[in-house]
Amino acid sequence: ELKVEQNPLFLSMQEGKNYTIYCNYSTTSDRLYWYRQDPGKSLESLFVLLSNGAVKQEGRLMASLDTKARLSTLHITAAVHDLSATYFCAVGDNFGNEKLTFGTGTRLTIIP
Amino acid sequence: DGGITQSPKYLFRKEGQNVTLSCEQNLNHDAMYWYRQDPGQGLRLIYYSQIVNDFQKGDIAEGYSVSREKKESFPLTVTSAQKNPTAFYLCASRGGETPQYFGPGTRLTVL
Repeated sequence: ELKVEQNPLFLSMQEGKNYTIYCNYSTTSDRLYWYRQDPGKSLESLFVLLSNGAVKQEGRLMASLDTKARLSTLHITAAVHDLSATYFCAVGDNFGNEKLTFGTGTRLTIIP
Repeated sequence: DGGITQSPKYLFRKEGQNVTLSCEQNLNHDAMYWYRQDPGQGLRLIYYSQIVNDFQKGDIAEGYSVSREKKESFPLTVTSAQKNPTAFYLCASRGGETPQYFGPGTRLTVL
């Protein structure tokens, strides 16, 4: 059974600081996703990581994937208030049906 | 504009009632998914469908049922057998190699 763990679960950081969210998963997978959720809203896709060593960047967010370590990171650079949200990683199974197993999420609060 | 619509946005159910949540997409996506989200938690897969007239159970299918008679539509019925149905329900679709695209959600509350 695929398990996905994120840490930290809660993160409060000051504007302008850097931080990293970690996503560990238990079995081999060839695809990992990062999503953002604002309070009471749906999920928005941020990144798709499909291969070992993949790195994607969008603005102040950068995601990477190490399939050997079964680890993905989401790095936040010089945080701004607009990045306050809950971030989820999700790992796909290897059977082509795109069943996703989600982590429990990291609730990020950026303090001015 | 292409997208996913879910209705209603809010739904209240009395104990013992079945209710049906609507999910419609005009993205021409083959695959559709239903997830449940409880407060402070991640999403858990209820059912998914990769083609019309075919669907599979996810991790928490007990107490739920679905149908996929049209490509555009994937309704979810929450039956009276689901003992703790209060949650946020999200429908998603996927076409080709794109990530799953989520609808706005339905918040179900049992009175």
